[in-house]
Amino acid sequence: DAGVTQSPTHLIKTRGQQVTLRCSPKSGHDTVSWYQQALGQGPQFIFQYYEEEERQRGNFPDRFSGHQFPNYSSELNVNALLLGDSALYLCASSPPADLGRGGYTFGSGTRLTVV
Amino acid sequence: AQSVTQLDSQVPVFEEAPVELRCNYSSSVSVYLFWYVQYPNQGLQLLLKYLSGSTLVKGINGFEAEFNKSQTSFHLRKPSVHISDTAEYFCAVGSMNTGFQKLVFGTGTRLLVSP
Repeated sequence: DAGVTQSPTHLIKTRGQQVTLRCSPKSGHDTVSWYQQALGQGPQFIFQYYEEEERQRGNFPDRFSGHQFPNYSSELNVNALLLGDSALYLCASSPPADLGRGGYTFGSGTRLTVV
Repeated sequence: AQSVTQLDSQVPVFEEAPVELRCNYSSSVSVYLFWYVQYPNQGLQLLLKYLSGSTLVKGINGFEAEFNKSQTSFHLRKPSVHISDTAEYFCAVGSMNTGFQKLVFGTGTRLLVSP
């Protein structure tokens, strides 16, 4: 049973460019959350998608946007990249009615480097 | 808003010795508490969680943690560590304020186990 799949695993972009990261949730999961983990820091919540809608959002600017598709997969888009956007981006999926009870499965992340 | 403090950025310990990783949280409402482990170049794996009930929680790989509401702590312990326990450990909290959907993480504690 495949867990959470993220692509690509590594990415290098130039300041000002745009990037799209992709996430396929674990089978049977319907909710996808995205986290940003800067070097030496804990993950920070970006937003969560459920039923193709953004359900919650953390303290991230509008340059960060997302989408969830009918098959529950998700994309994270970042526009006008800044050097400070360099980080490991983690996707986590959770099953129906988990209600935050720790059913998250995390992917291995996408390492984004902005130069 | 809730926050998580992991008091030790790094904990060196010898193999087969006991270890305690400290975590304090700040929240004015009911919380769920979690410990995750992150191995190099991997995502987060859930070690254990406290939702309600018994304050002593047992997890995978011989780890346990105790929820102390009066001290707002959730320290992680293992009576005898192995070399393979070397990893980054994150304490996280979900709170009623955000419908328990969003996790707030600490900055992590690197456990270094040496022979």
